[in-house]
Amino acid sequence: EADIYQTPRYLVIGTGKKITLECSQTMGHDKMYWYQQDPGMELHLIHYSYGVNSTEKGDLSSESTVSRIRTEHFPLTLESARPSHTSQYLCASSEAGQGLAGELFFGEGSRLTVL
Amino acid sequence: DQQVKQNSPSLSVQEGRISILNCDYTNSMFDYFLWYKKYPAEGPTFLISISSIKDKNEDGRFTVFLNKSAKHLSLHIVPSQPGDSAVYFCAASSTRGNEKLTFGTGTRLTIIP
Repeated sequence: EADIYQTPRYLVIGTGKKITLECSQTMGHDKMYWYQQDPGMELHLIHYSYGVNSTEKGDLSSESTVSRIRTEHFPLTLESARPSHTSQYLCASSEAGQGLAGELFFGEGSRLTVL
Repeated sequence: DQQVKQNSPSLSVQEGRISILNCDYTNSMFDYFLWYKKYPAEGPTFLISISSIKDKNEDGRFTVFLNKSAKHLSLHIVPSQPGDSAVYFCAASSTRGNEKLTFGTGTRLTIIP
């Protein structure tokens, strides 16, 4: 069973609000990822990190930002939410050094609705 | 440009029969492939993987087949059980690249009791 947690699971907020989606893992994984998924669509990588103080933009452009101050914690922040940010956000982690993308362990997701 | 394609958005299979989910890819650099299963309101969970040095990998009721020349892989579930009803995502990566996974759009499998 994967030990990766996301909060909140569901969030409904108004336009212009600042939000932070939390993601924590207790597996000691160096690699962490944020994916965005809309219904019926593929998962799009928006941010990833290969370790503390390492953050990179993913394949899909996103107005969100991330930080990686501690190995276990990889929060995602939207400074000013808009309706176009409505989506499901999935956090994942994997072991580093495998030489493969390997198995990702996903959290349960945070479903964001911006009114 | 979608590099991993799952052309069947949904599939219904009778309980006990074989379920076959298909996936095509276009990037010839991909050499590692995975299948994930996702229940509603949960994150995806890893199911099975295959490296390009193999053409088949089996784990219990789940078998993945890889046809490199056709850039095609398939997931076979036999026998299908009601608990297999979920969305299945195909994913691919290049071990010589940045190791990131590229996902397909998913196929919703419904097992009919």
